[in-house]
Amino acid sequence: SAVISQKPSRDICQRGTSLTIQCQVDSQVTMMFWYRQQPGQSLTLIATANQGSEATYESGFVIDKFPISRPNLTFSTLTVSNMSPEDSSIYLCSAESNRETQYFGPGTRLLVL
Amino acid sequence: GENVEQHPSTLSVQEGDSAVIKCTYSDSASNYFPWYKQELGKGPQLIIDIRSNVGEKKDQRIAVTLNKTAKHFSLHITETQPEDSAVYFCAGVNTGNQFYFGTGTSLTVIP
Repeated sequence: SAVISQKPSRDICQRGTSLTIQCQVDSQVTMMFWYRQQPGQSLTLIATANQGSEATYESGFVIDKFPISRPNLTFSTLTVSNMSPEDSSIYLCSAESNRETQYFGPGTRLLVL
Repeated sequence: GENVEQHPSTLSVQEGDSAVIKCTYSDSASNYFPWYKQELGKGPQLIIDIRSNVGEKKDQRIAVTLNKTAKHFSLHITETQPEDSAVYFCAGVNTGNQFYFGTGTSLTVIP
């Protein structure tokens, strides 16, 4: 299994600003993922982050709004750009190793005012 | 693509009783089915999983069954305890390793 940490755990931001969320895995992993979870809802995949290549975004999510970095095999960042109240959500990072299952971080709870 | 449906959306049981959550999937090529438990304020935690070459798997009070013909799988929790209260998500995973999550079941165990 993989142990995943995220920073910050929560934040309150003003509209129009940007927030970068960091995700750290305790071991090298091939693939990392970023999800959004609205309160009381299921998980929606934003993008897949592969080391050394551009992130792959799901329908409805674009790189200008959610730029992602994956500088090495243990770390990734997701930026939520030009935020609006509709971006208030829980953002989760997950990791997959050797085509095993996905393990999730604790999440970042974002409130945009 | 895959479509995973999960029922019920909410479930209340008395402590000590069993709880069953069911999921159906549409893609017959899906071959891996994990279950996650999400406690309030935390991320989803993998609790049990099953692959398509197995019909049942058990880990202490938790078991998962898979019916490939009917394309459904279920989570069974026996002798429920208050700490089992959480939201549970099922997922279907296809051969491309894409995860499709169910809509979640909020389980409340009443002491």
